[in-house]
Order: sequence, then C-alpha cells, then structure tokens
Amino acid sequence: EVQLVESGGGLVQPGGSLRLSCAASGFSFSSYSMSWVRQAPGKGLEWVSYISSSSSTIYYADSVKGRFTLSRDNAKNSLYLQMSGLRDEDTAVYYCARGRCTPVSCYSGVAIDYWGQGSLVTVSS
Amino acid sequence: SYVLTQPPSVSVAPGQTARISCGGTNFGSEGVHWYQQRPGQAPVLVVYDDNDRPSGIPERFSGSKSGNTATLTISRVEDGDEADYYCQVWHSDSDHVLFGGGTKLTVL
Repeated sequence: EVQLVESGGGLVQPGGSLRLSCAASGFSFSSYSMSWVRQAPGKGLEWVSYISSSSSTIYYADSVKGRFTLSRDNAKNSLYLQMSGLRDEDTAVYYCARGRCTPVSCYSGVAIDYWGQGSLVTVSS
Repeated sequence: SYVLTQPPSVSVAPGQTARISCGGTNFGSEGVHWYQQRPGQAPVLVVYDDNDRPSGIPERFSGSKSGNTATLTISRVEDGDEADYYCQVWHSDSDHVLFGGGTKLTVL
C-alpha cells in the first residue's frame, strides 16, 4: 500500500523557517517524481514545487522561489521541503504528492496519483 | 501569470449529468488531470491524461479536451459526488504546474 506521511508542520513566526518531511513507503520511491501542493484555509490547491526521481530537475512556484528548497533522499525514501522567510500567506496545509510515473512517462506533466494527508503550517506572530 | 479558469460552482440533481469546464490556456499536447476533494480530505485523482480513469474510479467519471477547454463529465450523479473538483495541467512555457481554482459540485 502506497503511503505518504508528512511531518514537521506547526506554528512559526513571520520570517521564520520550517522543514517539512515526507516519508514514503509501499513503492519504489527512487522511480517516482514528487511534488508539494498546498491549500490555504478555505482556498483551492496551489502547486509549490516539483522534483524528478533523480533530483536532476526541480521547479518552484513563483510565490516560493528563492525561499523554499526541495530535496529528496532516495536511500531514506524521504522528501523534504525547507521553508525560510515564511510569510502569512504561506499558511496552508502542505500535501506531499507522488507523480503517476510509468516506464514510458515520468515528467513534470504527469498526474498526481497519491497524496499524503497533509501537514498544517501556520505563519503568525 | 497563467491561470486555469473553472466555474466556481455547478449544481445538478441526482441522476443527471454534471459538466465542469477548465480553460484559459493552450493545453497543446499536455494532458489535463482532474481531482476530487471532499471536505477535510486529501484530493483524489479521478481522470488523468484528458480522459483516462485510475483503477477504482467509476466509469461515470470521464474527461474530454478540445482546443483551450477541458471538461470533466460526471454521469448519473450521486449524493457522494458532492465535492470540490480541480483541473491540473503542466504549463511548459513557464515550467509550472497549474491548478484551476476549483469547482464546488452541489447535488440538489
């Protein structure tokens, strides 16, 4: 069974830092691209960042570029999102998400076939 | 910035057909994906690559794409289909994943 479990969320002051982790299990983590998607309270889904299976390609939304850093450790089946310079508007539930990779296609345009349950990040003084 | 536009809400009676549109960008050859999100839950993929269904998703869910508009169609709508629905596509010009603003489906 595919499982994605986020951790590291919490309350942080504006300007502060936080590191989200996502522990993956039930599949060959190193063969799949991964993403973070967030959802502010009462709002829609917003893509945050994407990383290819080998970490060779990483993309960021304009709203987080230069402040957030995405990485992965395939040996530990883990995905990380280092967030710094946090702002009020970064308050959201952050979802770890797996790309629907196949032997034929595994790139940034594939669908997300599994989502974690989310980790709440609250930025407030 | 690039935006995918969805109607904020769609209402339909049980047993009828719901259609949710998604547009605003030239999709080109990129596949459009659709997600269902019930309150308090993580999203669930219901259609990928324009018109394919993941295993376990009822045949009542289908997708189509024509020009700059993609459409999610839910046939024989049930009470349990009431949820928010989001479209998603890769925008190669900006190297960004785009999500539509979401559509709240209400079953009357």
